[in-house]
Amino acid sequence: DVKVTQSSRYLVKRTGEKVFLECVQDMDHENMFWYRQDPGLGLRLIYFSYDVKMKEKGDIPEGYSVSREKKERFSLILESASTNQTSMYLCASSVSGGAGGVAEQYFGPGTRLTVT
Amino acid sequence: DAKTTQPTSMDCAEGRAANLPCNHSTISGNEYVYWYRQIHSQGPQYIIHGLKNNETNEMASLIITEDRKSSTLILPHATLRDTAVYYCIVRVAVYYTGANSKLTFGKGITLSVRP
Repeated sequence: DVKVTQSSRYLVKRTGEKVFLECVQDMDHENMFWYRQDPGLGLRLIYFSYDVKMKEKGDIPEGYSVSREKKERFSLILESASTNQTSMYLCASSVSGGAGGVAEQYFGPGTRLTVT
Repeated sequence: DAKTTQPTSMDCAEGRAANLPCNHSTISGNEYVYWYRQIHSQGPQYIIHGLKNNETNEMASLIITEDRKSSTLILPHATLRDTAVYYCIVRVAVYYTGANSKLTFGKGITLSVRP
């Protein structure tokens, strides 16, 4: 079974702190994603990565950066946390392309971040 | 990617079939229909996908109309653990490395399975 793990289920940080969210997958997937989920807004893509050291902006990259130094690990960084970044953060991974280009995404359990 | 429309919520009795509808009237010929679900406090879970033919796996069946403008996810024998938000997503196939293969999740349909 594919396993995607996230470093914390719950996290509380103060405004202005630098925050690191870690995601690890154990299936040698090329693609990794960071989404955030907010009530009424669904899941929105922050960044994705298709290879080590490769990253692309998603729909809402402002205020975030990412790092992928190893294939299995994808980190989301909040350089200076703000209250509007309080949210559920979900990491996902998938193979690249896949059979017929329809590779499903496997999600981690999520990190609920509260910025006070 | 085409937009999908789902009812807000529905319920069904435990042990009965749950039929979850989805409209995607603007779907293109190269777009697939995916279903995911999200149980409370967990990440989304892939269920099934299809292009034009009906599909079945160990979790569910997917019925796509001939004109592909709508589909139905069928959970044949719903259990209490199937209570979740179910998302119908339409997306083109992504074949090449580096392409943005993001999934766009709408609000989904909340399925409540009652004892």
